[in-house]
Amino acid sequence: DQQVKQNSPSLSVQEGRISILNCDYTNSMFDYFLWYKKYPAEGPTFLISISSIKDKNEDGRFTVFLNKSAKHLSLHIVPSQPGDSAVYFCAASESGYQLIWGAGTKLIIKP
Amino acid sequence: DSGVTQTPKHLITATGQRVTLRCSPRSGDLSVYWYQQSLDQGLQFLIQYYNGEERAKGNILERFSAQQFPDLHSELNLSSLELGDSALYFCASSVAGGNVYNEQFFGPGTRLTVL
Repeated sequence: DQQVKQNSPSLSVQEGRISILNCDYTNSMFDYFLWYKKYPAEGPTFLISISSIKDKNEDGRFTVFLNKSAKHLSLHIVPSQPGDSAVYFCAASESGYQLIWGAGTKLIIKP
Repeated sequence: DSGVTQTPKHLITATGQRVTLRCSPRSGDLSVYWYQQSLDQGLQFLIQYYNGEERAKGNILERFSAQQFPDLHSELNLSSLELGDSALYFCASSVAGGNVYNEQFFGPGTRLTVL
């Protein structure tokens, strides 16, 4: 049973445009959500997080939106840059316990 | 470079064998986490150690075991290997050990292939 789902295996976006990566979850007890970015041959690196008491968190070009009623979060990257090409993982946690990860979305930024 | 090192980078072995994966955390980090990533899947949390003690356990098979040594490096032992154990194994470290609110820093992973 996949508690965290990233339904798009890949996404292609023009450089300079907005990239929107989506993540759905089924466990209503999740209260902390994170996005990680992974380049080939490297481990994931932390990008941005959001607590369930918020609905938006921004860090530079990256914004994460949380819709608790829909059990949905999204990561917006504006503007998209070539270096943003990577696999993006969504992860969730209940009460700070272990992270449950989605399968990832491969983002390709086209020049 | 996250500061977390993992050896070896690649490992090819046969079914039924036993292997040991090694992880050195970032300097000053007390917690080590092990994750398994099978093909096209998300990372699965296996186990966490904090300052030498087991802190949390995830979906770790009985054939797998881990430990953290006094110098804080950790080893993941996989025995009676099966084809389905082929995966990327990541180690991560964090400063504290209480929960996931402390940022985890990941190593580059060990790719295990079981033939």
